Amino acid sequence: TQLLEQSPQFLSIQEGENLTVYCNSSSVFSSLQWYRQEPGEGPVLLVTVVTGGEVKKLKRLTFQFGDARKDSSLHITAAQPGDTGLYLCAGTTNSGYALNFGKGTSLLVTP
Amino acid sequence: SAVISQKPSRDICQRGTSLTIQCQVDSQVTMMFWYRQQPGQSLTLIATANQGSEATYESGFVIDKFPISRPNLTFSTLTVSNMSPEDSSIYLCSVGAGWGQPQHFGDGTRLSIL
Repeated sequence: TQLLEQSPQFLSIQEGENLTVYCNSSSVFSSLQWYRQEPGEGPVLLVTVVTGGEVKKLKRLTFQFGDARKDSSLHITAAQPGDTGLYLCAGTTNSGYALNFGKGTSLLVTP
Repeated sequence: SAVISQKPSRDICQRGTSLTIQCQVDSQVTMMFWYRQQPGQSLTLIATANQGSEATYESGFVIDKFPISRPNLTFSTLTVSNMSPEDSSIYLCSVGAGWGQPQHFGDGTRLSIL
């Protein structure tokens, strides 16, 4: 059973477009992280959110943690080819210790 | 953040053989983890490598198939034993400060079994 559901699974857009990736669960998370993974490399941590309703910005990337701490979103403004990669959300519930990963969103940004 | 080196970066192995993957960190870390990732897919936790004691395995993974060592706070190995084509995958080492804390990953070992 997948604890974290990510959507969309695949996304192909043109440079300059905006996009949003969603990470949803029926469980409450004590913290949630977003990673980006490029081909041939390991995932790289982008951000951690811990407070319900929290919004964090990283240049053109905006991360939001839901008020109930069950969901999160990643919004990219004016996407660039360098944003291409696999975006993974991961979190820990109050009842577990392991980091649960979503299935990921594969993003392709074409010039 | 910690610098994590994994060796080998890739390998092609024969069915029935075993391969040991090494993970070296440039600083002492509390937690070390081993994951498996099918191409284009998400990460599945194999086990937590515990320093000085037996690793903690997740459901579906057993010590006989994936023996793990962690002799100190900067080094761990994962062995994939008696390999079959179903073991073809990317194996990733990661480190973290504690349970559920953000993790930092090595670049992975891409393993193909013929």
